[in-house]
Amino acid sequence: QKEVEQNSGPLSVPEGAIASLNCTYSDRGSQSFFWYRQYSGKSPELIMFIYSNGDKEDGRFTAQLNKASQYVSLLIRDSQPSDSATYLCAGGAGGYNKLIFGAGTRLAVHP
Amino acid sequence: GAVVSQHPSWVICKSGTSVKIECRSLDFQATTMFWYRQFPKQSLMLMATSNEGSKATYEQGVEKDKFLINHASLTLSTLTVTSAHPEDSSFYICSAIQGAPATGELFFGEGSRLTVL
Repeated sequence: QKEVEQNSGPLSVPEGAIASLNCTYSDRGSQSFFWYRQYSGKSPELIMFIYSNGDKEDGRFTAQLNKASQYVSLLIRDSQPSDSATYLCAGGAGGYNKLIFGAGTRLAVHP
Repeated sequence: GAVVSQHPSWVICKSGTSVKIECRSLDFQATTMFWYRQFPKQSLMLMATSNEGSKATYEQGVEKDKFLINHASLTLSTLTVTSAHPEDSSFYICSAIQGAPATGELFFGEGSRLTVL
C-alpha cells in the first residue's frame, strides 16, 4: 500500500514566522513530489514540485526532498494570514501521473 | 494558466437517482484526466484515470459500475454516479494533464459537491 503521511495539524504560526510542513512517503519508487494548497471548499492549487534531492526555492517557499529518508518538507517564510489553508503533499512515480496524496496539514497564520 | 472546468459545482439529488458531472479542459487537449473524491478533512482519493478513447482505469476498491467514466473527446470527461446513496455524498474533483503525463502540468477543476438525500 503506497502511502503519503502528513501531520493533520492544525499548525499555528504567527504572522511573519516560518511555517514548516512535513511529509513522509512509503513508496521508494516515487520520483516526483508536489505541494498543493487547498482553501476550504476549493480545489487544490500547485505551489511547488521537486524531483531532486536537496532544496528548491521559489519566492517565500522552499521545498526540501530527502529520498534516503523518504521525507519531503515545505517551508513558508514570512507567513501571511492568506497562507492559512490546508497543504497537501503528493508523490508519484513520474510527473503527475497517478499521484498519491497525503491527508493534508492545516496551517493557521494568526496576525 | 490552463483552465479545467467542472459542472455542476454542486448538486443535491434523491437517493437512487444518477448524477453526471462534467470535466472540461477549456484551452488545451487532455488525453488523460483523473477523478478524485474527497471527504471532509480528508485527502484526495484517486478514483480512476480517464483515457480519451478507451476505458477508464479504476483504482482498487472503486466500483466501475457505480462510477461510470466516459472520456469521449480530448476536452471532456464525465463521471456518472449511478443509483446514488447518501454515502456517495462527497466532493468530486477532476484534474487534467496539459502535455505528456511525465512532463506536463496538472490542473484541477473547481470540484463538484454532491449531496445525496
